[in-house]
Amino acid sequence: ILNVEQSPQSLHVQEGDSTNFTCSFPSSNFYALHWYRWETAKSPEALFVMTLNGDEKKKGRISATLNTKEGYSYLYIKGSQPEDSATYLCAFPGANSGYALNFGKGTSLLVTP
Amino acid sequence: NAGVTQTPKFQVLKTGQSMTLQCAQDMNHNSMYWYRQDPGMGLRLIYYSASEGTTDKGEVPNGYNVSRLNKREFSLRLESAAPSQTSVYFCASWTGVYYSNQPQHFGDGTRLSIL
Repeated sequence: ILNVEQSPQSLHVQEGDSTNFTCSFPSSNFYALHWYRWETAKSPEALFVMTLNGDEKKKGRISATLNTKEGYSYLYIKGSQPEDSATYLCAFPGANSGYALNFGKGTSLLVTP
Repeated sequence: NAGVTQTPKFQVLKTGQSMTLQCAQDMNHNSMYWYRQDPGMGLRLIYYSASEGTTDKGEVPNGYNVSRLNKREFSLRLESAAPSQTSVYFCASWTGVYYSNQPQHFGDGTRLSIL
């Protein structure tokens, strides 16, 4: 079991605010770092799979950075909208379990108008 | 594209009853997984199948069995349901290539209540 920590646990912002979350993971034996967006009663939706140190990925208003040497990744949302309300999960695949994902507990984001 | 299909979507069982959760993927993925999601916890791995014909225990396997019926299908069985197994169950699939930059694909989940 690989420990993946996410912070903050929850976040409440106003529409238009920009926000960011943190994911920390074991820096040894790094393969990849996954980010998912999960709305209740739906399946987790893949946002990014990051594999290279210094990697930056962007999807619309959402972007992510990766530091494999120190074991952290940041997810940024620019100009939050109510439809961004969801739980954001990061996960680290484990080689000893068929690369099953070890998930953090997630950051729950609520964006109010 | 169907992706990963799970059935049923909802189920209520009585303690001691048995049932099988079905999962099928149409992406020709080698690896398949069963996770459970409980309040305040991250998704936790129950069982996985790294390739057709193999299955292995994950973090929380007690009370469950699995079958990798073929490359497409991976089922999860509760032999004697217990209230502690009330949870949301997700099936996922992945290419199985370790250096892949592809995400895992998830089904819509099965919401299971054990009374």
